[in-house]
Amino acid sequence: IAGITQAPTSQILAAGRRMTLRCTQDMRHNAMYWYRQDLGLGLRLIHYSNTAGTTGKGEVPDGYSVSRANTDDFPLTLASAVPSQTSVYFCASSAGTSGGETQYFGPGTRLLVL
Amino acid sequence: AQSVTQPDIHITVSEGASLELRCNYSYGATPYLFWYVQSPGQGLQLLLKYFSGDTLVQGIKGFEAEFKRSQSSFNLRKPSVHWSDAAEYFCAVSRKDFNKFYFGSGTKLNVKP
Repeated sequence: IAGITQAPTSQILAAGRRMTLRCTQDMRHNAMYWYRQDLGLGLRLIHYSNTAGTTGKGEVPDGYSVSRANTDDFPLTLASAVPSQTSVYFCASSAGTSGGETQYFGPGTRLLVL
Repeated sequence: AQSVTQPDIHITVSEGASLELRCNYSYGATPYLFWYVQSPGQGLQLLLKYFSGDTLVQGIKGFEAEFKRSQSSFNLRKPSVHWSDAAEYFCAVSRKDFNKFYFGSGTKLNVKP
């Protein structure tokens, strides 16, 4: 069982370039999430999706967009990367959408924007 | 607004010693509380969670946590730490009706041999 896969594992990106981080889950979970992890700040929610076809904004959505065309995939796009988007990005999923649902995390993507 | 505070950025304990990691939350209603662990270079793994009922919850890897409403705390404990417990630990809170997590800034645990 793979769970959640993320690609790429790491990336160095020039500022101003467009980048899509990929996330795929094989658990048929309804909800998916994108977080960024920065030193001293923990994880902050960027965007989420409670079901295919719907998305919502989290705490820090500016500069990011997402789509949810199907249950399994939840890509995160940086339209024009800036150095402040240097971070570790985690994708997560949960079976349901209530607050008590366990979220399962992928291994992360390390992104450096120069 | 919801918030989670983990006051200890780094903690070092000796192998075999007991451990307590602190977590305080600010939340208007009864929260759902979680502890996650992140090993170096890995994603987060759930250790335990609290919804209601018994305020002492047991988790994986010998961890437990106690919910204290009067102190707005959900501290993580382990009676005897193993070298493999060295990792970063995150406390998180969510609402009953909404799957939006708020994470603390994390506590990095070092284990001395």
